[in-house]
Amino acid sequence: NAGVMQNPRHLVRRRGQEARLRCSPMKGHSHVYWYRQLPEEGLKFMVYLQKENIIDESGMPKERFSAEFPKEGPSILRIQQVVRGDSAAYFCASSSRGRSYEQYFGPGTRLTVT
Amino acid sequence: KQEVTQIPAALSVPEGENLVLNCSFTDSAIYNLQWFRQDPGKGLTSLLLIQSSQREQTSGRLNASLDKSSGRSTLYIAASQPGDSATYLCAVIDYGQNFVFGPGTRLSVLP
Repeated sequence: NAGVMQNPRHLVRRRGQEARLRCSPMKGHSHVYWYRQLPEEGLKFMVYLQKENIIDESGMPKERFSAEFPKEGPSILRIQQVVRGDSAAYFCASSSRGRSYEQYFGPGTRLTVT
Repeated sequence: KQEVTQIPAALSVPEGENLVLNCSFTDSAIYNLQWFRQDPGKGLTSLLLIQSSQREQTSGRLNASLDKSSGRSTLYIAASQPGDSATYLCAVIDYGQNFVFGPGTRLSVLP
């Protein structure tokens, strides 16, 4: 049973470009969460999605960031017009039910903005 | 607003020692608490999940306790090994459905 998969593992973008991060949850999991870990900081919640629905996006920056979890395919975290401050590790997690249930984390995508 | 702290921030011990990592949270109305380890440059691995109705959970050499009333959890690692070297994170979910992480404890176990 494959775990949570994220790709790419490393992503380099120039300022102003777009970054697309993908997350495939564990088999049978329909709840996906995105977290960001800035250098020397802890993990911060960004957004919680179920299939085709955004449940909680209270941790998402208001501009340039968006997330989706379509009926088919992986969840996508999209960052438009990236800036250097977006450089971070972005982790995805999934659970079988709501977020009070155990979350399983992916290996993360390390975004570097040059 | 829920805040989670972890003490110590870093810990270095010789192999074989038993050790305790501490996690404190400000709002005792939590739904559950989860301990993770994070290896450098890698993702998080779930270690133990404690439901709010439980007081402890055990897995191998790991034992996690939870005292909701005092806002504390401890992770006990018995007979530490160099392979235990990692950052250990605790995270709480409160009834506001907020999933909040602590800053982590960086553990180094020296051979």
